[in-house]
Amino acid sequence: LAKTTQPISMDSYEGQEVNITCSHNNIATNDYITWYQQFPSQGPRFIIQGYKTKVTNEVASLFIPADRKSSTLSLPRVSLSDTAVYYCLVGGMDSSYKLIFGSGTRLLVRP
Amino acid sequence: EAQVTQNPRYLITVTGKKLTVTCSQNMNHEYMSWYRQDPGLGLRQIYYSMNVEVTDKGDVPEGYKVSRKEKRNFPLILESPSPNQTSLYFCASMALDRGYSGNTIYFGEGSWLTVV
Repeated sequence: LAKTTQPISMDSYEGQEVNITCSHNNIATNDYITWYQQFPSQGPRFIIQGYKTKVTNEVASLFIPADRKSSTLSLPRVSLSDTAVYYCLVGGMDSSYKLIFGSGTRLLVRP
Repeated sequence: EAQVTQNPRYLITVTGKKLTVTCSQNMNHEYMSWYRQDPGLGLRQIYYSMNVEVTDKGDVPEGYKVSRKEKRNFPLILESPSPNQTSLYFCASMALDRGYSGNTIYFGEGSWLTVV
């Protein structure tokens, strides 16, 4: 599992676009980039996954530059219900098959 | 519907009284894992299993046991619970058909355990 670095927290307001960037300098050739969202007292849930360039679904977009050393999760027009912790995972597991989550980014959306 | 089901969802128990938290998935996933989440500490992996009869320690295995006798079930056992095991526990599962990367992790709804 590649080491990832995300901001600890971000603030935004309803209706704004939010971009959360994740750095993963040691990403491997066959690693995918996956983002999860966790609401308080709930298990994380899958948001979006990509390998390169741009991926978009009904919830978010994921931008991955050509060198793949970082990625940006974009949430268009956030609402209060988007307040959550967002985790970036790169790759599947480390050599011991552990599946470890980083600290995530705590997003607070204000009215 | 793809599901990871944990039981119980909420439990208050006393120190030393053995308890088991069950976890079942209906997606035929090879990989299953247990996490605990405490305020300010994020998700910490307790144990994981690559397949039936194959289990290994995560980052915080002390005080816990697991077993994987069937592919769909992965119970977490606290032989002698202590107050420092009071936490929110999540079970998770994932397929391994895409070389570990590129798969989606599915989480259960969580189990609140309080040990007094």
